[in-house]
Amino acid sequence: GAVVSQHPSWVICKSGTSVKIECRSLDFQATTMFWYRQFPKQSLMLMATSNEGSKATYEQGVEKDKFLINHASLTLSTLTVTSAHPEDSSFYICSARVDSGNEQFFGPGTRLTVL
Amino acid sequence: GQNIDQPTEMTATEGAIVQINCTYQTSGFNGLFWYQQHAGEAPTFLSYNVLDGLEEKGRFSSFLSRSKGYSYLLLKELQMKDSASYLCAVASGGSYIPTFGRGTSLIVHP
Repeated sequence: GAVVSQHPSWVICKSGTSVKIECRSLDFQATTMFWYRQFPKQSLMLMATSNEGSKATYEQGVEKDKFLINHASLTLSTLTVTSAHPEDSSFYICSARVDSGNEQFFGPGTRLTVL
Repeated sequence: GQNIDQPTEMTATEGAIVQINCTYQTSGFNGLFWYQQHAGEAPTFLSYNVLDGLEEKGRFSSFLSRSKGYSYLLLKELQMKDSASYLCAVASGGSYIPTFGRGTSLIVHP
């Protein structure tokens, strides 16, 4: 199957700093990538849909100025959590979809802890 | 919007069979996914159903009834490594982006 990587796997930062998370499709091109957030014992919540070469589409309630998404190439999307606060601590997971299919391939996730 | 419901937790014995149910309410149904997620890891794809009926894939099978808004994931010959959360997700409204349920935590004991 297709492989999606994320970097970093985990990050600890101070409140007020910004954190960038990278999502890469390693062996396929992905026009569309997705960013999810998952709190402990909760389901995955879609934050935004990232489209290569255009602006991301954010879900209701997700602040686009706080969660900056850049999808500059067909294999890379980045999520930047700006001015992070403790309540942003969560498991962030990206996924990518092969253009010809409807199956999503998930990255390994990034655990963010904001102190 | 969508309303996806699945049990919070289930337990089963190694070697047994377990069925995890999922009910949903949606418009413009585009398919139902099942994912497996181990603690601290990302979900892995198990199955996709868009037509009624049973699809079998090794020890795992998935069933869909669109008229009843119902699906189940059947796990046979349970192994300890099957202990994980099983997520039911539904795509709808012209999109193939799934909305996830809360997941069912399956605990397999010896």
